[in-house]
Amino acid sequence: RKEVEQDPGPFNVPEGATVAFNCTYSNSASQSFFWYRQDCRKEPKLLMSVYSSGNEDGRFTAQLNRASQYISLLIRDSKLSDSATYLCVVRGSSNTGKLIFGQGTTLQVKP
Amino acid sequence: EAGVTQFPSHSVIEKGQTVTLRCDPISGHDNLYWYRRVMGKEIKFLLHFVKESKQDESGMPNNRFLAERTGGTYSTLKVQPAELEDSGVYFCASSRGQGLAYEQYFGPGTRLTVT
Repeated sequence: RKEVEQDPGPFNVPEGATVAFNCTYSNSASQSFFWYRQDCRKEPKLLMSVYSSGNEDGRFTAQLNRASQYISLLIRDSKLSDSATYLCVVRGSSNTGKLIFGQGTTLQVKP
Repeated sequence: EAGVTQFPSHSVIEKGQTVTLRCDPISGHDNLYWYRRVMGKEIKFLLHFVKESKQDESGMPNNRFLAERTGGTYSTLKVQPAELEDSGVYFCASSRGQGLAYEQYFGPGTRLTVT
């Protein structure tokens, strides 16, 4: 079983749509959680950290459910520029910088 | 501030040859990480340096891979001898600290193809 599981998609949505991605992680001791964005043939870039209380950054909302070991990302009012692969990333503990990546979910926003 | 840089951007080598990848972290970042993504799989951790010391090398696949960070600045990752399954994109990342508050910044990657 993978440590971080995501639905690879692709998710094809029209501009303006709301889309949600989900992710589950296997290690209940995991300390911190992130969503990264990766454009085609580019490096991953941090989109947002995910906190238990939930957090919002503009059109993006991230949620963490520790009991279910589940992380989500909601994108409202999708833009063409949101087309990318979204990576769910988990970090084990403060003693290690090791990031554990999901396989990524591909989003294609169409006009 | 310059970002993480990696060299070369692409490398095509034959099975059995040696390749050395280089990573220059962001200036002042003591923590340097190597990751790789093989075709169709997720990005996987290889190792973590703090300055010149290996903090965690649990992700190194086998002894054909050798990472160094002499002087605590740039790092190299050597693959010798290369095998077909080593093909993929090798990413380097750096961070100022390793606590939970510190973001890892990724370089553009080196795309390695072993034929």
